[in-house]
Amino acid sequence: AQSVTQLDSQVPVFEEAPVELRCNYSSSVSVYLFWYVQYPNQGLQLLLKYLSGSTLVKGINGFEAEFNKSQTSFHLRKPSVHISDTAEYFCAVSEAWFGNEKLTFGTGTRLTIIP
Amino acid sequence: DTGVSQNPRHKITKRGQNVTFRCDPISEHNRLYWYRQTLGQGPEFLTYFQNEAQLEKSRLLSDRFSAERPKGSFSTLEIQRTEQGDSAMYLCASRDRERTSGANVLTFGAGSRLTVL
Repeated sequence: AQSVTQLDSQVPVFEEAPVELRCNYSSSVSVYLFWYVQYPNQGLQLLLKYLSGSTLVKGINGFEAEFNKSQTSFHLRKPSVHISDTAEYFCAVSEAWFGNEKLTFGTGTRLTIIP
Repeated sequence: DTGVSQNPRHKITKRGQNVTFRCDPISEHNRLYWYRQTLGQGPEFLTYFQNEAQLEKSRLLSDRFSAERPKGSFSTLEIQRTEQGDSAMYLCASRDRERTSGANVLTFGAGSRLTVL
């Protein structure tokens, strides 16, 4: 069964500093991986996705993530954060077999940017 | 394309009452999903439709919950005899199959927040 672990529930970062949000997954088969962002009182917005190919994936708002199969990780990074990046970030996994329509989300990491 | 629309955005009800949420997906998307998100947690899968057919239901979806998508367009999620534990954000999402891989890249609505007093 697919599962996701986000070890950091909260991450405070100074403005213009780099940030890494950690995500580890568990699955016995190939997976698709996603990062979503949720701003207060809003739905989820897709930041980036890994389906296949290059393990370094670039997304919106300057975010990128690297798929590491040996470490079963998909950490999210940004070299310089802005106040507007304050939000909840969710990592999600979906096993890559025909007919699987289920996304499994982590518990989220609240990113707080300190001016 | 106006995205995925959910109504109402907020609903406050008393325990024991019935509530219904509506989701209008992106028009060309044939798959529609319902997720539930409780405070401090990530979204959890409830059910999904391909056109009008409900193809999978989570064990989280008790007998008090029913979802429909009668014409393969909008969907409703009804909760009967609400309990305080039903308080959550109910998220709807839709998708069209990725041409290259079949991955489920979802577009989410803003959600319907339910508070049961």
